[in-house]
Amino acid sequence: SQQGEEDPQALSIQEGENATMNCSYKTSINNLQWYRQNSGRGLVHLILIRSNEREKHSGRLRVTLDTSKKSSSLLITASRAADTASYFCATALSSNTGKLIFGQGTTLQVKP
Amino acid sequence: ETGVTQSPTHLIKTRGQQVTLRCSSQSGHNTVSWYQQALGQGPQFIFQYYREEENGRGNFPPRFSGLQFPNYSSELNVNALELDDSALYLCASSPTGGTYNEQFFGPGTRLTVL
Repeated sequence: SQQGEEDPQALSIQEGENATMNCSYKTSINNLQWYRQNSGRGLVHLILIRSNEREKHSGRLRVTLDTSKKSSSLLITASRAADTASYFCATALSSNTGKLIFGQGTTLQVKP
Repeated sequence: ETGVTQSPTHLIKTRGQQVTLRCSSQSGHNTVSWYQQALGQGPQFIFQYYREEENGRGNFPPRFSGLQFPNYSSELNVNALELDDSALYLCASSPTGGTYNEQFFGPGTRLTVL
């Protein structure tokens, strides 16, 4: 079973609005990573947040991590039509086995 | 700097056949991971190779096997193809083994098994 569960499964907003996606996981992690995927193509890395970090920013992206609740959120501010994609969270376990565990993803549609 | 490349882009095979997918890692990276992504799902970890040795394996049967070469490129071999093997196969490279760093993904190979 997948470690990461994402919510919502689908999100539709207008350009300029903010989009928030949530991710929950089950076991201890070393870090949590967010990726974007356009139309079934390769994944693009967005942000990596380590277990001892609580918040991280990159441009219009803000990621939070709450290890006590085993959850993370990705906020995209001032969304653009080009942000339309699927977004996945992936957890890296403390054991560093080489395995990233992905959630099922949130499909974001930004309408112009 | 050259990114991660995969070949072929698309592939159609019939049940029972064997397939080999190829991945060239990003320059300076010694680790390659392989993932299977079924339609509408998140990627599932198959295995990782670090400096030519397997460094972790997901819940996939032995007919999924891999190899990493001295130049750190990699192959994924799947024997006795089944219909459920139809998926997007992604490889990712990283500068070190494990998952403590971001992974750089290739564009994927779309495999269809008829």
